[in-house]
Amino acid sequence: DGGITQSPKYLFRKEGQNVTLSCEQNLNHDAMYWYRQDPGQGLRLIYYSQIVNDFQKGDIAEGYSVSREKKESFPLTVTSAQKNPTAFYLCASTSYPLDITLPEAFFGQGTRLTVV
Amino acid sequence: AQKVTQAQTEISVVEKEDVTLDCVYETRDTTYYLFWYKQPPSGELVFLIRRNSFDEQNEISGRYSWNFQKSTSSFNFTITASQVVDSAVYFCALSRGNTGKLIFGQGTTLQVKP
Repeated sequence: DGGITQSPKYLFRKEGQNVTLSCEQNLNHDAMYWYRQDPGQGLRLIYYSQIVNDFQKGDIAEGYSVSREKKESFPLTVTSAQKNPTAFYLCASTSYPLDITLPEAFFGQGTRLTVV
Repeated sequence: AQKVTQAQTEISVVEKEDVTLDCVYETRDTTYYLFWYKQPPSGELVFLIRRNSFDEQNEISGRYSWNFQKSTSSFNFTITASQVVDSAVYFCALSRGNTGKLIFGQGTTLQVKP
């Protein structure tokens, strides 16, 4: 079955540490995205990539970094510069540009990051 | 600026009641998509419906129906005869043009009581 796999499901980080969240898709999608969700809020775009070896900042990129070395993979690193990293992180993928017959974003199951 | 507003933060109904979740959007794009997603307690986003900006036809899928009106920039979602399993957070989202970069509303938490 095609889909998006995020790991780990839960992640604990000590202050000052960098951590990397994994996102893998086998949908053959060109575009991948990282969103952050805080309690009681909608999702906000962190970074996105529309093609391998290229990525762009979203609305809240500060304190985060990404790479896109393979079409299937789009890992997100939460750096120590991110002052409030505790949140739920969701990875998504779509065709690019959006396919009118299948434009919706497919989401992973999310990673819940907690700073301890 | 592009924006999605879900004015209802929380809604509580009794099973079998009908409930409408409101969504109002702002965009200057002529081509865009609108979506509704359901987020159960487990956290994953479940896709429910999509509409492109050129298709104002309303849609019904079982107990779910959607009303898209460009004149009022609204894309409302109605659940008929609600059930306890409908309890979740529902998000309305707008694409930025013809890309998958989505702008989400703040979500509406729906609680259906038995």
